[in-house]
Amino acid sequence: EDQVTQSPEALRLQEGESSSLNCSYTVSGLRGLFWYRQDPGKGPEFLFTLYSAGEEKEKERLKATLTKKESFLHITAPKPEDSATYLCAVQPGWSYIPTFGRGTSLIVHP
Amino acid sequence: EAQVTQNPRYLITVTGKKLTVTCSQNMNHEYMSWYRQDPGLGLRQIYYSMNVEVTDKGDVPEGYKVSRKEKRNFPLILESPSPNQTSLYFCASSRGDEQFFGPGTRLTVL
Repeated sequence: EDQVTQSPEALRLQEGESSSLNCSYTVSGLRGLFWYRQDPGKGPEFLFTLYSAGEEKEKERLKATLTKKESFLHITAPKPEDSATYLCAVQPGWSYIPTFGRGTSLIVHP
Repeated sequence: EAQVTQNPRYLITVTGKKLTVTCSQNMNHEYMSWYRQDPGLGLRQIYYSMNVEVTDKGDVPEGYKVSRKEKRNFPLILESPSPNQTSLYFCASSRGDEQFFGPGTRLTVL
């Protein structure tokens, strides 16, 4: 059974204080690992797809990395507008059904 | 504007009263899906559709039906809603691995 565990559940940062969110996963034949951002009362917003260990992708202050067992979402010098819940999901190669983690709630204080 | 729309956004109903939540996308995507999101649980896929007239079960299909008669529309049908279907529902459509989510429908079944 595919599993995704995100940590921490919640994270409070001061503006400018860099940190990382973790997504540990087990999946039978990874097709892709996905990161989303979800603001309160809204649908998730796609951020990245990573396909193989060693791959990295960046978007503004966010950088996602992937190993065979986990992915990190690094947030560099965060701003209050980065406050959101960040979701991680994996999809196996044999299925069109992704497995999502419970998310990390990030609050960035000014 | 490229988007996924859902209606209604909020719905309170009673046990056993059939309801339909509509989903429409204007991006000409072939893949569409429905998810439910519950506190303490990750997003869970209910049904997905690879194209018109092609639908398949996700992780939690019990109590739900879908249809895909047109490429842009993918309604979710609850023929006899029960209180355990009280949840936040999201429709999504995909271009490759990038999923676009709708704004969500908050359903309460009394």
